[in-house]
Amino acid sequence: QQPVQSPQAVILREGEDAVINCSSSKALYSVHWYRQKHGEAPVFLMILLKGGEQKGHEKISASFNEKKQQSSLYLTASQLSYSGTYFCGTESASNSGYALNFGKGTSLLVTP
Amino acid sequence: DTGVSQDPRHKITKRGQNVTFRCDPISEHNRLYWYRQTLGQGPEFLTYFQNEAQLEKSRLLSDRFSAERPKGSFSTLEIQRTEQGDSAMYLCASSSTEGSNQPQHFGDGTRLSIL
Repeated sequence: QQPVQSPQAVILREGEDAVINCSSSKALYSVHWYRQKHGEAPVFLMILLKGGEQKGHEKISASFNEKKQQSSLYLTASQLSYSGTYFCGTESASNSGYALNFGKGTSLLVTP
Repeated sequence: DTGVSQDPRHKITKRGQNVTFRCDPISEHNRLYWYRQTLGQGPEFLTYFQNEAQLEKSRLLSDRFSAERPKGSFSTLEIQRTEQGDSAMYLCASSSTEGSNQPQHFGDGTRLSIL
């Protein structure tokens, strides 16, 4: 079952903060976050694992509430380059192997 | 690290024709995934391989779709007798099996348009 992302869209001025949420009705093993710019491939941002471990390579923070099966992505001091669509992909016992179940995305626009 | 490469980037074909897409994963990655993405949606899982073995197929993958990864390196996705509803971006991703929960790295995709 597809995770639910909120908000659907957000517009920020450069320097403002944003939070993007992802929730699932399934017990999750991990949550993966990606950013996709128009016409480009989704780019990996971060993995949050059951048990609290995080793996990422960008200056972005996130949380994973295992009890609520929710994850939040925190974008602070936003830059113009943060614009794009953010997707969460979830891994659970009901997924096919290691496949990810993606939400519909959150569109983020950062303006000067 | 040259990234995941997909070919062609765009494919326009008439309904009823067969099409084949190719994906070259990151060289040391032995997991390879195919996803489909339509406008305004996230990627939807189609199938995945570990080395040359196709381990899982989504129910989205009808009998008209077939995927192969013959030597555990590149993969092909073929769609036979294409239909209007097949129009989408077809994304390939790869990941390592070293450790657990490795990130999937996506290619730029093949955009399929059915006339």
